[in-house]
Amino acid sequence: EAGVVQSPRYKIIEKKQPVAFWCNPISGHNTLYWYRQNLGQGPELLIRYENEEAVDDSQLPKDRFSAERLKGVDSTLKIQPAELGDSAVYLCASSYAGTPEETQYFGPGTRLLVL
Amino acid sequence: KQEVTQIPAALSVPEGENLVLNCSFTDSAIYNLQWFRQDPGKGLTSLLLIQSSQREQTSGRLNASLDKSSGRSTLYIAASQPGDSATYLCAVDSSYKLIFGSGTRLLVRP
Repeated sequence: EAGVVQSPRYKIIEKKQPVAFWCNPISGHNTLYWYRQNLGQGPELLIRYENEEAVDDSQLPKDRFSAERLKGVDSTLKIQPAELGDSAVYLCASSYAGTPEETQYFGPGTRLLVL
Repeated sequence: KQEVTQIPAALSVPEGENLVLNCSFTDSAIYNLQWFRQDPGKGLTSLLLIQSSQREQTSGRLNASLDKSSGRSTLYIAASQPGDSATYLCAVDSSYKLIFGSGTRLLVRP
């Protein structure tokens, strides 16, 4: 069974440019998460989807970040415009129903460097 | 606000040693606690998940304990191997959201 797929794996951009990350969760998983992991820190949740509905986006900086999960499968996270402080690893995870009894399965992440 | 702390931040041990990684959290109202492993440039892999009603979980050479009342968890690794070298992250689920610690970076020397 394929795991969580993310692309691109690496991205280097100049500040003020836009950037987008893509995630394909494990087949059948209804809940999808986007996390940001700064160097030397644990991941922090940005947004959680149940099917196509964003049920927790309290940590998403809405002035520059946006996300969508059309048809409740793939998801895209966008930053526009990017700032130097956005340099981090962006992780996508998925789980079947998003309940506390389940573990989340993580993708390899997209490493973003903003110059 | 839930905060998760992991001690030590880094650890270097010779192969074969038994070791303990520590995790503490400030709010005992949690659904579960999980331990993850992260290899450089890779995503996170779940090692053990302890429900709030449980005291411990075991998988192979790994044993994780949970003491909700004191806000502590430990991950015990028996007979460590060089392949165990990675960053170990503790996370608590207290509101359908995982709150992570900063991790313990483990190096097992051959």
